[in-house]
Amino acid sequence: SQTIHQWPATLVQPVGSPLSLECTVEGTSNPNLYWYRQAAGRGLQLLFYSVGIGQISSEVPQNLSASRPQDRQFILSSKKLLLSDSGFYLCAWSSWGGRSGTEAFFGQGTRLTVV
Amino acid sequence: DAKTTQPTSMDCAEGRAANLPCNHSTISGNEYVYWYRQIHSQGPQYIIHGLKNNETNEMASLIITEDRKSSTLILPHATLRDTAVYYCIVRPTGTASKLTFGTGTRLQVTL
Repeated sequence: SQTIHQWPATLVQPVGSPLSLECTVEGTSNPNLYWYRQAAGRGLQLLFYSVGIGQISSEVPQNLSASRPQDRQFILSSKKLLLSDSGFYLCAWSSWGGRSGTEAFFGQGTRLTVV
Repeated sequence: DAKTTQPTSMDCAEGRAANLPCNHSTISGNEYVYWYRQIHSQGPQYIIHGLKNNETNEMASLIITEDRKSSTLILPHATLRDTAVYYCIVRPTGTASKLTFGTGTRLQVTL
């Protein structure tokens, strides 16, 4: 069965420090991968999505970047964190839709607090 | 992707059916309707999806109108654990596509 791992669960980082959040998927190949952010009391904002190794689409201009060095690995990074980067970060994967719809599966999230 | 409109919040008594509406009047022929829910501080959980026909699984039922411009998610016997934010999403299939969430409906199940 497929599983998605996301770590760490919580993180407190000072302003100006770098960030690296990692997400890995097991049990599937060539997944679509997504990074979302959820600010406190707000909805889910799509940050990046990837359809293959090295292929990253950015949805909003921001202080963050994403990379996909391997088929089932998706990394969210920042060189210098801002206070506004605080939030709940979620990684998700889905398979190619084919002729029928397919659902997306989410990790448990990383709660980032920038202080 | 087509835009969806949902009520901001709803209440439901425990044991009763919860009917959550969603409008998607600009839905295209190749777009599916998906429902997810997010319990506080957790990642969203897939519930159900459909294209044209009504669908039912162990969690819920999905009723899609004939013109596909709206749908209703039905939780037949709501429990306190169903308290969550419910998201209705339309998404094309056949190609990789981004999955965009709106603000959802906050369902509060009460005793």
